Amino acid sequence: DVKVTQSSRYLVKRTGEKVFLECVQDMDHENMFWYRQDPGLGLRLIYFSYDVKMKEKGDIPEGYSVSREKKERFSLILESASTNQTSMYLCASSLFRLAGGTDTQYFGPGTRLTVL
Amino acid sequence: AQSVTQLDSHVSVSEGTPVLLRCNYSSSYSPSLFWYVQHPNKGLQLLLKYTSAATLVKGINGFEAEFKKSETSFHLTKPSAHMSDAAEYFCVVSERGSTLGRLYFGRGTQLTVWP
Repeated sequence: DVKVTQSSRYLVKRTGEKVFLECVQDMDHENMFWYRQDPGLGLRLIYFSYDVKMKEKGDIPEGYSVSREKKERFSLILESASTNQTSMYLCASSLFRLAGGTDTQYFGPGTRLTVL
Repeated sequence: AQSVTQLDSHVSVSEGTPVLLRCNYSSSYSPSLFWYVQHPNKGLQLLLKYTSAATLVKGINGFEAEFKKSETSFHLTKPSAHMSDAAEYFCVVSERGSTLGRLYFGRGTQLTVWP
């Protein structure tokens, strides 16, 4: 079974702190994703990566950055946390396909971040 | 551009009655379509997936969905609801053949099941 793990289930930080959210997958997937989930808004894509050291902006990248130094690990960084970044953060991974369909994304359990 | 509209933010049913969660999509190309479920305090789990084969797709836990191109719909159904089906459901679209694997999520439908 694919396993995607996230470093913390719950995190409380103060405004202005630098925050690191870590995600690790064990299935050798090329693609990795960071989403935030807010009530009534569904999941919104922050950043994604299709290879080591590669990254692409999603729909809401402002205030975030990412790092992918190893294939299995994808980190989300909040450079200076703000209260409007209080949310559930979900990491996902999937296989890279040259053609023929989009592969299933597998999700971690999520990190609920509160910024005070 | 891809997008998904889930027509109901909340659906309530009694245990043993049918479930219908509605989803319409917009896609510039042939889409892949998914339904994911999220139980309270859990991560997202894939229920079912349509890529290009049979238009009626069967998933886990007795759920199924039918792809209707003419209506641009992918509604999720189950003949008989169970208490354990109470969760949030997301309809998701992706452009088929997308090498980057981006998914576009609907806003979710919260399903409540009454005893």
